[in-house]
Amino acid sequence: DTGVSQNPRHKITKRGQNVTFRCDPISEHNRLYWYRQTLGQGPEFLTYFQNEAQLEKSRLLSDRFSAERPKGSFSTLEIQRTEQGDSAMYLCASSSPLSGGPTDTQYFGPGTRLTVL
Amino acid sequence: RKEVEQDPGPFNVPEGATVAFNCTYSNSASQSFFWYRQDCRKEPKLLMSVYSSGNEDGRFTAQLNRASQYISLLIRDSKLSDSATYLCVVNRGGGYNKLIFGAGTRLAVHP
Repeated sequence: DTGVSQNPRHKITKRGQNVTFRCDPISEHNRLYWYRQTLGQGPEFLTYFQNEAQLEKSRLLSDRFSAERPKGSFSTLEIQRTEQGDSAMYLCASSSPLSGGPTDTQYFGPGTRLTVL
Repeated sequence: RKEVEQDPGPFNVPEGATVAFNCTYSNSASQSFFWYRQDCRKEPKLLMSVYSSGNEDGRFTAQLNRASQYISLLIRDSKLSDSATYLCVVNRGGGYNKLIFGAGTRLAVHP
């Protein structure tokens, strides 16, 4: 399967614990995005990497959240001291810029569903 | 007010019906526009891009009105397999390609 993969697919944790999610983008894609989706809402942008550089972070990404993309390949999203409000689907997407174009199609992974008890 | 607004539905239609979804966006600097489809508990998948000239892909037709900041999706001859949530999406561009999603419109096609 050459699509975007995410692990784990489901995570149940207790309030106050730390969790880490992994995203493996499509291999030739240099752009990687994290989004969060809660029930009944569309995905909300969290952060964006171009290669290993984190170029944009949403105000939704509090200081308990950190994302990395070492070597410009896979990415991790860590949430420290989880709260019940962090319960959501965390989606990763990747893309590759069209030659000469400002926008490109983002392909989403299956997501990691986090439940904080 | 949300940057991208959609009627949440649900739209309950019989097979074979024609159904139209509308969406408005507030940021006039938005550069590109899409409809994504999302099945229950699955990831969003690109259905089609939306252009000012209008574009068609089989039973699906999308239209953009930049002056009114309005996007539409028309589905003809609805199939049971069209049942899903349809997400209206805009991209502000500016080099970062951050997608702004509407909350989605739910479609249920029944026999």
